[in-house]
Amino acid sequence: DIQMTQSPSTLSASVGDRVTITCRASQSISNWLAWYQQKLGKAPKFLIYDASSLESGVSSRFSGSGSGTEFTLTISSLQPDDFATYYCQQYNSYPRTFGQGTKVEIK
Amino acid sequence: QITLKESGPTLVKPTQTLTLTCTFSGFSLSTSGVGVVWIRQPPGKALEWLALIYWNDDKRYSPSLKSRLTITKDTSKNQVVLTMTNMDPVDTATYYCAHSPLARNFDYWGQGTLVTVSS
Repeated sequence: DIQMTQSPSTLSASVGDRVTITCRASQSISNWLAWYQQKLGKAPKFLIYDASSLESGVSSRFSGSGSGTEFTLTISSLQPDDFATYYCQQYNSYPRTFGQGTKVEIK
Repeated sequence: QITLKESGPTLVKPTQTLTLTCTFSGFSLSTSGVGVVWIRQPPGKALEWLALIYWNDDKRYSPSLKSRLTITKDTSKNQVVLTMTNMDPVDTATYYCAHSPLARNFDYWGQGTLVTVSS
């Protein structure tokens, strides 16, 4: 299985901050990576696919980059609605695997 | 508009078999490239991919759970069913089904259903 490791596990930030979350794969996954946002008690929301392509309807505050084994999710200017947990997920091979999540908290 | 909804028991006893149904609309599982997945999330923990079924009835399972899982589809009813045998308290989780275009990422999710395993 490909292991996905996110850092940090928790991030404290203020409204307006630029935030970056890192996701590392245990082996190369090319650009076969997605990002999701999950709020407490809700299903995850699909944000980004193919490492850097923004899903339709998702705010342009969100951006993704990377390839191979290292990827980042960036929120350009954190808004109140962005406080949530974020997960990366690889679809290079089976089984599909997720990172352990990064919780973005209010500072 | 794609929607999915999970249904099934909220409480099962250890050793019992869990059967969950995902009922969806807005797409067909007979369309080339379409898949439906099951994913679970124990309380306070991360997401875990369980199984996938493709439009052509190809199936993939999590290796760690493969012996306990079966995924099937009923195209005429727009449903996907997941069964998990020999349930244990560690299987307590919210179970989600999701639409998977080209079996890659998961763009539409159900609301999830919490299953508790307890005697």
